[in-house]
Order: sequence, then C-alpha cells, then structure tokens
Amino acid sequence: EAGVTQSPTHLIKTRGQQATLRCSPISGHTSVYWYQQALGLGLQFLLWYDEGEERNRGNFPPRFSGRQFPNYSSELNVNALELEDSALYLCASSLTSAAKRQFFGPGTRLTVL
Amino acid sequence: AQKVTQAQTEISVVEKEDVTLDCVYETRDTTYYLFWYKQPPSGELVFLIRRNSFDEQNEISGRYSWNFQKSTSSFNFTITASQVVDSAVYFCARHNNNDMRFGAGTRLTVKP
Repeated sequence: EAGVTQSPTHLIKTRGQQATLRCSPISGHTSVYWYQQALGLGLQFLLWYDEGEERNRGNFPPRFSGRQFPNYSSELNVNALELEDSALYLCASSLTSAAKRQFFGPGTRLTVL
Repeated sequence: AQKVTQAQTEISVVEKEDVTLDCVYETRDTTYYLFWYKQPPSGELVFLIRRNSFDEQNEISGRYSWNFQKSTSSFNFTITASQVVDSAVYFCARHNNNDMRFGAGTRLTVKP
C-alpha cells in the first residue's frame, strides 16, 4: 500500500512569491493535516482537512491556505513568502478524525531566499 | 494555549543505557489522545504509540515502554538498552476535539 506522498521534495522561492505544496493521502484516508517544522521550533500544526472541509487551522496568518480535493488529496498555498517561511512542510493523513493515528509523508523542504 | 512540553531538548546516552523522554501536556478536556512519534534522520515521522485518556495502563513493546500518569499530566517514554538506531528526534503529541499539539521534540543521540 502506498504511503503519503508529497511533492515537490524541495522548493526554492524568493520573498514575495507564492508556493504550492501537494499531498496525496493513503488510499481510504479522508483527513489530511499540514504541519510546519521550522528549525528549532518543533512541529507546528497548520491546517486540517476532512471530507473536503477545513476543520481547524493553527495559529498562522491567512496567507497560509489550502484545500482538499474530491479525491482527498490536498494543496497548501503560501502567499507573499517571507524568509521565516523556510521550513520542512509535513503532510499527514488519517482515517476521518484527529484521534486516529496519523501517517506522515516525507515532507517538502521550502527555502525562501 | 494547551501546550505539550518536552523539557529535554537533547539527550545523549551510550549504547545499552536506559533513557526516559519526558512529556507533560495541558488539556481542559476529559477525552483526549496522546501519541509518540519518532523522526529518524531521514525525516519521515514514524508512529510509535497512541493512548486514550481513559486508558492509564502502562504499555511495553519490546525495548519501548510508556508511563501514562493522568494525575501529573505526563506521558513519558522509556527506551531500555538503547541502540544506535534509536538516535532520532522524538515527538509527543496530544489530540483532542479539533486541537492537535506537538511538543518541540527531544533529540536523542545514542553513541556506540
């Protein structure tokens, strides 16, 4: 069974640009979560989607947004990139609810120059 | 904010030593779930354990054991007879309702 996949592996952007990160959950999983792992800051919860709806978001500005498609894959968009957005962005999926075990993807390393 | 605190930023041990990673959580809910994940150098988080708030039984899985104490809001993780392959960053997490919190992680280095 394929795990959670994320693309691209690495992304380099400049300040002010927009970045789009993609995630495909494990087949049968309806919940997708996004996390930011910046150096020295641990894992910060960004967004949770379930059945196409945004269920919760972490303490991030509105320029961090996303969506979940009918096939449960998801996109994370970061507008007006800032240097401090440089981080590893992890996607995870689970069966329906936050109480379930989350399966993590390998991450997208975003570098903002 | 209902935090998850992993007070140990980094721990270094020699192979075969036992090591305990601490996790203290905050929550106002009676129903919640606690997790431990391992992040090896490859970067991908690996699930280790899930425990719900009504199950305070300690658990042992091979060299791994977990001590859940609701009275002190702690969910500590012990590795017995550590091995070099245990070197990783370990994250404790608490999930309840729509709120998910991870601790800052503890970097464990096991030296041969």
